Amino acid sequence: EVQLVESGGGLVQPGGSLRLSCAASGFTFSNYAMSWVRQAPGKGLEWVSVISGTGGITYFADSVKGRFTISRDNSRNTLYLQLNSLRAEDTAVYYCAKDFQVSPMGATGGFDWWGQGTLVTVSS
Amino acid sequence: EIAMTQSPATLSVSPGERATLSCRASQSVTYDLAWYQQKPGQAPRLLIYGASTRATGIPARFSGSGSGTEFTLTISSLQSEDFAVYYCQQYNNWPPLTFGGGTKVEIK
Repeated sequence: EVQLVESGGGLVQPGGSLRLSCAASGFTFSNYAMSWVRQAPGKGLEWVSVISGTGGITYFADSVKGRFTISRDNSRNTLYLQLNSLRAEDTAVYYCAKDFQVSPMGATGGFDWWGQGTLVTVSS
Repeated sequence: EIAMTQSPATLSVSPGERATLSCRASQSVTYDLAWYQQKPGQAPRLLIYGASTRATGIPARFSGSGSGTEFTLTISSLQSEDFAVYYCQQYNNWPPLTFGGGTKVEIK
C-alpha cells in the first residue's frame, strides 16, 4: 500500500528556515511527480510546489517562489521542501501528495495519495 | 490563473438524502477536474478525477459530472461517514494548480 509520511515541521521565527521531508513507500517513487500542498488553520487547500519524477521539472506557487525549494532523492524515496525566509502567512499543515498518473518526465497535477501532513508554525 | 468557485459554502443534508455540490472554473478546464473529501484532522482523499471517474475504492453513491467550466459532485444517499468538506481542483492549465474554497456538508 502507498504510504507518505511527512516530517520536519515545527515552530520557527519569522525569517527562519525549515526543511520538510516526505518518505514514500508502496510505489515506484521515481515514476511519479510529487507535490506539496498546504492548508492554513481553518482554511482551504493551497498548492505550493511540484517536482517531476526525475526531478528535472519544478514549479512553485507565486506566494513561495524564490523562498521555497523542492527536491527529491529517488534512491531514498524521499521528497523535500526547503522553506526559507518564512512569514507568518506560511503557517499551515504541509501535505505531500502523489500524482495519480505515471509520468517520470512531467506531471498531471491531480493527487491520488496524500500524507497526514506536518504542521509549520511561524511565530515570534 | 484559473479560479475555482464552489457553491454552496455549507450544505445541510439529512442522512439518506441526496447532496449536490457545484464547482465552477473561471475558464474551461475541459475534463481535468478532481474532487477530494476531507474530514477533520485528516488528509484529503481523492474521490473523482477526469470529472467523472471514481477513484479506487470510492463507493458508487459518489458521482461526478460536467465539463468545461461547470461541474457537479453528487452523493446519492448520504451516509454518516460522508459528512465532511469537499474540494474541487483543476489540473488543466497550470501552474498554478488551483482548488475551490470547499463545500462543507453537515448534518441537517
